[in-house]
Amino acid sequence: EPEVTQTPSHQVTQMGQEVILRCVPISNHLYFYWYRQILGQKVEFLVSFYNNEISEKSEIFDDQFSVERPDGSNFTLKIRSTKLEDSAMYFCASTARKNNQPQHFGDGTRLSIL
Amino acid sequence: DQQVKQNSPSLSVQEGRISILNCDYTNSMFDYFLWYKKYPAEGPTFLISISSIKDKNEDGRFTVFLNKSAKHLSLHIVPSQPGDSAVYFCAASAYGFGNEKLTFGTGTRLTIIP
Repeated sequence: EPEVTQTPSHQVTQMGQEVILRCVPISNHLYFYWYRQILGQKVEFLVSFYNNEISEKSEIFDDQFSVERPDGSNFTLKIRSTKLEDSAMYFCASTARKNNQPQHFGDGTRLSIL
Repeated sequence: DQQVKQNSPSLSVQEGRISILNCDYTNSMFDYFLWYKKYPAEGPTFLISISSIKDKNEDGRFTVFLNKSAKHLSLHIVPSQPGDSAVYFCAASAYGFGNEKLTFGTGTRLTIIP
């Protein structure tokens, strides 16, 4: 069964450094998402992406965050200058069609900011 | 943001019996609801969904019921099996209003007792 893959599984970074989280969505999917879950809290939406453009973003997704689909398979989330509060699990998701289709999630990247 | 609530943080059920997980929502614009299952160190796995035009959807051992007037949905698992032990998340979106992001509940940890 096709799946969303994320790398790395765990990333440890010094505060203020840039970090790039990578995702390979399911191959025929067109809509891509990033979510995060801070320890002990809910899964929260960050951003949605379609046709090489951001279609929606949350208040969390400020100027420190950016997303990119650099080629036909990868989808990346960049945090330009990490803060301690960026420590969380980051999940990538994808879906084939926007309406009434489930989003399928990867296993996440645990980001630890020191 | 308490738009999706799962009021039971945990539930224990005997193997072979029915597990019922509940979810309440407050946003009337939600028109698509999903249940995800999550094991430790893995991403959310899609289980079953329901559109707001239906009140029931069934897939094998899993049935989701939607009561729009009460803004309540439930997931029934019957018979419960030890492999069902996981955290279950309810999620909702407002696709019909152009809002594709998923809003998650806090999760219910289900433990199946052999």
